[in-house]
Amino acid sequence: GQNIDQPTEMTATEGAIVQINCTYQTSGFNGLFWYQQHAGEAPTFLSYNVLDGLEEKGRFSSFLSRSKGYSYLLLKELQMKDSASYLCAVGPYSSASKIIFGSGTRLSIRP
Amino acid sequence: GAGVSQSPRYKVAKRGQDVALRCDPISGHVSLFWYQQALGQGPEFLTYFQNEAQLDKSGLPSDRFFAERPEGSVSTLKIQRTQQEDSAVYLCASSLGDSPLHFGNGTRLTVT
Repeated sequence: GQNIDQPTEMTATEGAIVQINCTYQTSGFNGLFWYQQHAGEAPTFLSYNVLDGLEEKGRFSSFLSRSKGYSYLLLKELQMKDSASYLCAVGPYSSASKIIFGSGTRLSIRP
Repeated sequence: GAGVSQSPRYKVAKRGQDVALRCDPISGHVSLFWYQQALGQGPEFLTYFQNEAQLDKSGLPSDRFFAERPEGSVSTLKIQRTQQEDSAVYLCASSLGDSPLHFGNGTRLTVT
């Protein structure tokens, strides 16, 4: 079966750092995605991890531990525009098969 | 270049009506996916095409849902005899095959 868990909501302060956790239990695993989705808009790709470790991309970093079935997305120097839902998803990078999404974490940034 | 385009953006249907939702993927993208997203939830997989072949339709919730992509480009998701539980945002995504999914803005379907 497929099970992806992430917190429903989080709140953080502008300029601060926030970590959004994701745990997964899936029958197969190729890699883990993070997508950002603003209200009423399309999800947009943030990162893809297939190997254990931390990958940094500007203000956003993503970490994966395959043995623990765990990932996190780290957002630094938070800006108001970072208020959005962050979706954790499991699947192959090359879209050879379906990608399974978690329910998403709604992040609110306060001034 | 143009992204994934979906139409209509909003659709209101009376219960029992049939609806057709259209997706224009990015030109050249061979993979096309349909997802259903309920309010406050993540996208739920419905079906997947590679070119014109529908390779996986395991997520379609009932036989009232039907998708096609006859020429390997534009796709249509059809829902027959709509029910209130069909109310959701329907997202289409496409991929070159070696890249992440690119999503459209979705069609918000409301069944009254």
